[in-house]
Amino acid sequence: EAGVTQFPSHSVIEKGQTVTLRCDPISGHDNLYWYRRVMGKEIKFLLHFVKESKQDESGMPNNRFLAERTGGTYSTLKVQPAELEDSGVYFCASSIGWGRPGGGDNEQFFGPGTRLTVL
Amino acid sequence: AQSVTQLGSHVSVSEGALVLLRCNYSSSVPPYLFWYVQYPNQGLQLLLKYTSAATLVKGINGFEAEFKKSETSFHLTKPSAHMSDAAEYFCAVSDYQASNTGKLIFGQGTTLQVKP
Repeated sequence: EAGVTQFPSHSVIEKGQTVTLRCDPISGHDNLYWYRRVMGKEIKFLLHFVKESKQDESGMPNNRFLAERTGGTYSTLKVQPAELEDSGVYFCASSIGWGRPGGGDNEQFFGPGTRLTVL
Repeated sequence: AQSVTQLGSHVSVSEGALVLLRCNYSSSVPPYLFWYVQYPNQGLQLLLKYTSAATLVKGINGFEAEFKKSETSFHLTKPSAHMSDAAEYFCAVSDYQASNTGKLIFGQGTTLQVKP
């Protein structure tokens, strides 16, 4: 079974440009999460999808960040325009979902992350 | 609000020595607790989890952790360190009961160095 994949693995952009990160969760996982780790800080929650619906986006830094999850499958996170403080590693994670077999503890499976550098 | 504190951003041990990585949590509801490991250039991998069953939890690669409610701790241990254990370790608590999100709240991470 394929794990969570993220694309690209690295992205280097200029301040003011736009970048789109993609996450493909494990097939059949209803929950999809985005997290971010800024250098030297802890990993922080950004938002949570249940299928195609945003369940919680309380961690999104500001309106320069836009996340979508088309058809409840893959998700994209767009940063427009990018600022220097957006640099960091963006992780995606997925889980089966409560109420489904094996989903009771909401174990999350993480992708390798996308390292974003804004110059 | 839930939170996690990992004591020590860097821990160094000799190969064969005991590994002890400390994690304390704060939660107003019974927590679900997790330890993840990140090897260089890889994603986060689940080591073990506590979900209100046995308080001593065994994970992969010889690691284990004990949930101590009275101390609000979930320290990670391994009796004998291997060079391959060198990585960054993250303790996390899930807010599954406080909300319907189940998001993870992470500690700051502890980098484990294993010396030959």
